[in-house]
Amino acid sequence: DSGVTQTPKHLITATGQRVTLRCSPRSGDLSVYWYQQSLDQGLQFLIQYYNGEERAKGNILERFSAQQFPDLHSELNLSSLELGDSALYFCASSVELGGTQYFGPGTRLLVL
Amino acid sequence: EDKVVQSPLSLVVHEGDTVTLNCSYEVTNFRSLLWYKQEKKAPTFLFMLTSSGIEKKSGRLSSILDKKELFSILNITATQTGDSAVYLCAVTSLNYGGSQGNLIFGKGTKLSVKP
Repeated sequence: DSGVTQTPKHLITATGQRVTLRCSPRSGDLSVYWYQQSLDQGLQFLIQYYNGEERAKGNILERFSAQQFPDLHSELNLSSLELGDSALYFCASSVELGGTQYFGPGTRLLVL
Repeated sequence: EDKVVQSPLSLVVHEGDTVTLNCSYEVTNFRSLLWYKQEKKAPTFLFMLTSSGIEKKSGRLSSILDKKELFSILNITATQTGDSAVYLCAVTSLNYGGSQGNLIFGKGTKLSVKP
């Protein structure tokens, strides 16, 4: 158990819908990262937050957005969902920028 | 474009064998290389390497980084069925995403250890 928690574990929804994934980092970690893992693309970096501020963006679609709250938990919002958005979404946290990242158990999203 | 390439993509061995997994990278302003083990779900951290030529060791696993030749290897000795997993290599770069610490992953090596 890495200490990073994610909810929900599984999510099934329909195309066009909107979902919110939640992440709580390890105690003391200020940086939160979101990754998407699909069968064909592997693990892809989406976005990073540090102490409430967005610090970097990777391969994140405009339909996706995220934020980190004052208590340091983070939410990833996915809207206008498409079949291709079906994937495992991981959250990771680290104490500092560039520190070792510890991954949560992931949320498996299935868009039908 | 920054990239991380792992080989082989998959590997089948028998218990007790020794395996070597490879990771090569091309990144701008390399900062660190990390190895993760992914079984059913979340990647679990194994090693972080930042200095060339210094071996990191944990039990039967060890890893070394060659910053001149831009590669790393992960060795597993006396393999056990519990070592069956996908092993992921990732690098961090100061430039990727405009910050530091964001991981660029390879596609992974799927290791299957048969009894």
